Amino acid sequence: DAKTTQPPSMDCAEGRAANLPCNHSTISGNEYVYWYRQIHSQGPQYIIHGLKNNETNEMASLIITEDRKSSTLILPHATLRDTAVYYCIVRVSALQTGANNLFFGTGTRLTVIP
Amino acid sequence: KAGVTQTPRYLIKTRGQQVTLSCSPISGHRSVSWYQQTPGQGLQFLFEYFSETQRNKGNFPGRFSGRQFSNSRSEMNVSTLELGDSALYLCASSTGSSRGMYFGPGTRLTVL
Repeated sequence: DAKTTQPPSMDCAEGRAANLPCNHSTISGNEYVYWYRQIHSQGPQYIIHGLKNNETNEMASLIITEDRKSSTLILPHATLRDTAVYYCIVRVSALQTGANNLFFGTGTRLTVIP
Repeated sequence: KAGVTQTPRYLIKTRGQQVTLSCSPISGHRSVSWYQQTPGQGLQFLFEYFSETQRNKGNFPGRFSGRQFSNSRSEMNVSTLELGDSALYLCASSTGSSRGMYFGPGTRLTVL
């Protein structure tokens, strides 16, 4: 699976959009981009994933560049409860590989400031 | 749907003992994965079960083992506990496809 690079930490003002970048320059054509977050002492929470197109759900939006070498997770209106470590993970679908494991790097620690 | 449940939530054991942790996945999910999280190593993959078969295994010693039952519930076992096994053990369930994985709250194991 391709490696990802994320900034170690970011701050965001409450109510503003939080834009979390992720670089995955070695991504392959069949690799998906996943985002998870982990609030202190809880299990990681799945946020969103995508392959080529931008995706949006009730939690966030995922913007993937045309060359797929980077992506941005957008939390449109950050709240204090969004303070967490955010992980960007790239991997092939388990249907293709038979492997359903995630490699968690160190992620980005997002702090939402009142 | 109910989420992933893990029992017990907290556990204290002494060195040399063994421990069994349990995970009940989301209904309909056939894939169950286990992860260990420590402050020094972060989140590390232990193993994954799909339809009662171990499909993948991480780089952990043989003291760590698991199994999955026909109802997709899974257990993991750690024998001959060491101090370094103190960690948060997380279980995740999924359909096994490209969809996301859903994690339980974890079991916090402390080895004294």
